Amino acid sequence: NAGVTQTPKFRILKIGQSMTLQCAQDMNHNYMYWYRQDPGMGLKLIYYSVGAGITDKGEVPNGYNVSRSTTEDFPLRLELAAPSQTSVYFCASSYSPYQPQHFGDGTRLSIL
Amino acid sequence: GESVGLHLPTLSVQEGDNSIINCAYSNSASDYFIWYKQESGKGPQFIIDIRSNMDKRQGQRVTVLLNKTVKHLSLQIAATQPGDSAVYFCAEPLNSNSGYALNFGKGTSLLVTP
Repeated sequence: NAGVTQTPKFRILKIGQSMTLQCAQDMNHNYMYWYRQDPGMGLKLIYYSVGAGITDKGEVPNGYNVSRSTTEDFPLRLELAAPSQTSVYFCASSYSPYQPQHFGDGTRLSIL
Repeated sequence: GESVGLHLPTLSVQEGDNSIINCAYSNSASDYFIWYKQESGKGPQFIIDIRSNMDKRQGQRVTVLLNKTVKHLSLQIAATQPGDSAVYFCAEPLNSNSGYALNFGKGTSLLVTP
């Protein structure tokens, strides 16, 4: 039972580079989320999806894009990496709003 | 959005003692709360949840209490063990405009000493 799987676990990017953070879940959850967590802080919502083909912005979407072509996958794209995007990124999914969200183990991203 | 906040940033307890982690919320319409545990280098792990039609819910060694009058909830961990050392977050879903994403507080760091 894999749950939520995120890849890569670690990455270092140079300013201006692009990359895609992968997230996959095998629980047939409709709701998926991307959060970022800065040191000593709680999680902030970047983007969310309530089902395949449906995505929307969260609290801090600038500099990111997402897609949701299947129920299982919800990749997060950074187009022009900036130092402010250095953070730990978590993907989560849930069956419904009143069920707990399940989290992956995160991608630790440094931009230098 | 309205905040879910934690009273103390750190809590140190001796192994075997009971731990109590507190959380205040500001939205009186909030009706679902979740506690998560986050160990170093890992994602938040679900511990227990509670809906607003309940005052108390028990799990294995954990109990969550909800006081809607003062908008406060607490997580009690019985017979705290070294493996309980982690950061604990309370969280509540935001509204449908954000897909019911979770609103997290900053967290309380629990340190269990032998």
